[in-house]
Amino acid sequence: GQQVMQIPQYQHVQEGEDFTTYCNSSTTLSNIQWYKQRPGGHPVFLIQLVKSGEVKKQKRLTFQFGEAKKNSSLHITATQTTDVGTYFCAGQGGTSYGKLTFGQGTILTVHP
Amino acid sequence: DAGITQSPRHKVTETGTPVTLRCHQTENHRYMYWYRQDPGHGLRLIHYSYGVKDTDKGEVSDGYSVSRSKTEDFLLTLESATSSQTSVYFCAITWDRGTGELFFGEGSRLTVL
Repeated sequence: GQQVMQIPQYQHVQEGEDFTTYCNSSTTLSNIQWYKQRPGGHPVFLIQLVKSGEVKKQKRLTFQFGEAKKNSSLHITATQTTDVGTYFCAGQGGTSYGKLTFGQGTILTVHP
Repeated sequence: DAGITQSPRHKVTETGTPVTLRCHQTENHRYMYWYRQDPGHGLRLIHYSYGVKDTDKGEVSDGYSVSRSKTEDFLLTLESATSSQTSVYFCAITWDRGTGELFFGEGSRLTVL
């Protein structure tokens, strides 16, 4: 079945440093989604990428979808303590509406 | 806010006992999902529903059953709980005419001793 690998598992940064997490799927995806989960909370949808090579920005967050639609990345510029949490990528293949395959998540810690 | 309520939010039970988790939504969403979250595994799909009495298995369905007798409630049952089912369980919905993004409930933390 479809597998989505996400690295790194943990990332500790000083406030103001940049952060990147990477996802790689074993199969071509119809789209990839990114979620953020604050400690003790539930995952919250951030963005969806659909097109090959797509790049989207949300303030300090930049999301990329690979040309082959098998990999993706999330880059945060100049991290802040409010960025703390776990970031998940989730791939959707074919017509499996809402049936996402999640990566293992990257736990981001930001030291002030 | 997708209007999702999960209950109970926390439960401790013993091996071999039955457990039912409830997901209740107030906005008439057609699509509902149960995921479990475990360290190092992300979230994994257990079962999903595309409407009343229309359910199907996900990636990790063994040991779980679901029922959806009315639109607003999606029940997840562990017939005989095992320690490997200790986890955080999230219910989620998608918009009927959306692009498949999930909106999660607050989660139910289950501990099986």
